[in-house]
Amino acid sequence: QVALRESGPALVNVTQTLTLTCTFSGFSLTTNNMCVSWVRQPPGKALEWLALIDWDDDKYYSPFLQTRLTISKDTSKNQVALILSNVSPVDTATYYCARSSDCGGVEFYFDYWGLGTLVTVSS
Amino acid sequence: SYEVTQPPSVSVSPGQTATITCSGDALRNQYAYWYQQKPGRAPVLLIYKDVERPSGIPARFSGSTSGTSVVLTITGVQAEDEADYYCQSIDNTEKFVVFGGGTKLTVL
Repeated sequence: QVALRESGPALVNVTQTLTLTCTFSGFSLTTNNMCVSWVRQPPGKALEWLALIDWDDDKYYSPFLQTRLTISKDTSKNQVALILSNVSPVDTATYYCARSSDCGGVEFYFDYWGLGTLVTVSS
Repeated sequence: SYEVTQPPSVSVSPGQTATITCSGDALRNQYAYWYQQKPGRAPVLLIYKDVERPSGIPARFSGSTSGTSVVLTITGVQAEDEADYYCQSIDNTEKFVVFGGGTKLTVL
């Protein structure tokens, strides 16, 4: 069955670079119309979409953070990585990776989510 | 800018009907999706393509649409439905995914 799991540091210092990894199973990112996104949620606040990568290695970013974000995939390892540079305390959040199985068409939604990983940025 | 808005909170007594509205100009041309999130848990897809319900989602959850708004209706609310609810859409030209600010449903 489909599963996603986020991993990365729980604590990062201000101005450092955060690297997160999403390891998934039960599907392949080489399948047409498959995508994986990163979504974050600061404590007590709303969900915020960050970036997605699709089966064709196209990448899309939130316009609010695109200068600081890089998303990549390693299909041989079934992994998607997210890099967030120059972090500050406002980047403290639970970071989720999530799958979309029909991102090439008019529909776009997240049908499976990881459990999330809490990242705290320390000043 | 591409955005969708929803009320911050809704309260309802058990057995009553709860409605949560999500609004945005883009919803006239794009589908909306609804997620339920309980404390400390990842979101769960409740409704897709405005009105469709994934398998395993109870029938008391339903979606509807009207112009630039979509509505999540929970008929016969149960205590276990107390959660945060998020609507989501996408600017498909830019592949920019947006979430509403979330609605906290309180079951009185």
